[in-house]
Amino acid sequence: QITLRESGPTLVKPTQTLTLTCTFSGFSLSTSGVGVGWIRQPPGKALEWLALIYWDDNKRYSPSLKSRLTVTKDTSKNQVVLTMTNMDPVDTATYYCAHTSPRAPLDYWGQGTLVTVSS
Amino acid sequence: SYELTQPPSVSVSPGQTATITCSGDKLGDKYTCWYQQKPGQSPVLVIYQESKRPSGIPERFSGSYSGNTATLTISGTQAMDEADYYCQAWDSSTVVFGGGTKLTVL
Repeated sequence: QITLRESGPTLVKPTQTLTLTCTFSGFSLSTSGVGVGWIRQPPGKALEWLALIYWDDNKRYSPSLKSRLTVTKDTSKNQVVLTMTNMDPVDTATYYCAHTSPRAPLDYWGQGTLVTVSS
Repeated sequence: SYELTQPPSVSVSPGQTATITCSGDKLGDKYTCWYQQKPGQSPVLVIYQESKRPSGIPERFSGSYSGNTATLTISGTQAMDEADYYCQAWDSSTVVFGGGTKLTVL
């Protein structure tokens, strides 16, 4: 059974760096083809893809946010970490992590964590 | 940047067929997926590789493609299908989501 859970601060101040952790179970990030993605959703708005990291440490970022994002993995801890620099109120959103595999993309999602950016 | 276009809203009567479209340049060259998201819940993958259904997704959900448009079809729509639906495709190894379609069953 694949599960993912996002954790991190619920409130950050403008200009601060956000660090979110995705802790997962039921799969290994050392298995060929497997990856973990990050997606966010501002309140009442559409999904926006942020980043992906694969089993071989290959990383992909949203072109519009690439300069602000870093994604890393700790295979031994079954965790993926997303950092986003220079946070702004427009970055207020629910942040999700999701499992992806060659069979199907983003087929298992975490419950999401709401991050509010406010001074 | 690559864009996927969906209608903001679609309405359907219970028991009827709902169709939600997703258009994008050369979309036929890319695999398309569909996600269902109900209020307060995480998205759920309902169609991948244009027409495949994950385990547990009812047969009334189907996907198809024609030209530069992918279509999600829900046959015999039920009240429980009322949700937001998002299409998604890959472009140059990056993920792109459509703007979402609110399906209302009334």
